Amino acid sequence: ETVLTQSPATLSLSPGERATLSCRASQSLGTSLGWYQQKPGQAPRLLIFGASNRAAGIPARFSGGGSGTDFTLTISSLEPEDFAVYYCQQHSYSITFGQGTRLEIK
Amino acid sequence: EVQLVESGGGLVQPGGSLRLSCAASGFMLSDYWMNWVRQAPGRGLEWVANIKQDGGKIHYGDSVRGRFTISRDNAKNSLHLQMNSLTVEDTAVYFCARDQSTGWSDYFDNWGQGTLVTVSS
Repeated sequence: ETVLTQSPATLSLSPGERATLSCRASQSLGTSLGWYQQKPGQAPRLLIFGASNRAAGIPARFSGGGSGTDFTLTISSLEPEDFAVYYCQQHSYSITFGQGTRLEIK
Repeated sequence: EVQLVESGGGLVQPGGSLRLSCAASGFMLSDYWMNWVRQAPGRGLEWVANIKQDGGKIHYGDSVRGRFTISRDNAKNSLHLQMNSLTVEDTAVYFCARDQSTGWSDYFDNWGQGTLVTVSS
């Protein structure tokens, strides 16, 4: 099974700051990686697919990068609604998710 | 507007069975791969299974293979998950999720609100 390890587990930042979330894969994925945002009591929302492509309707402050085994999700300037849990997901070897990074207000 | 509405969750004893359904509207179900994804209470996401547009290809996650069966009825715009031999580890909110592309992408751009399955004696 391809394991995705997200770091940090929790990230404490203030609105307006830049957030950088990491996802590391146990084997090379090429660019077969996506990112999701999930708020309490809600279903996940697709943010990024193919490592760096924004999904429909996603604001430009969200960007994805990386390839192979190391990937990042960057939120350039945090808005109050961005505080949530973020998951990476790969589909090179079956489909697996990372354990999540909680982005909380500092 | 795309809508996915799950139903069929509830309390079941270990070893029991349950059948989940997902009603799709606002798009042609027959155009998309469809998926089930689950989330145990307070935990992360786990992909469960997916099924091709015509039902001709099916894949399962390791933890459910041999116990769960995914199916679809395009004429009725519905997706199903038959769950047998349930264990406490199957306790989770079960989401149905649509593939992002009418081809095959394995990213999920539309999700239902989820239905809770609790396995307990």
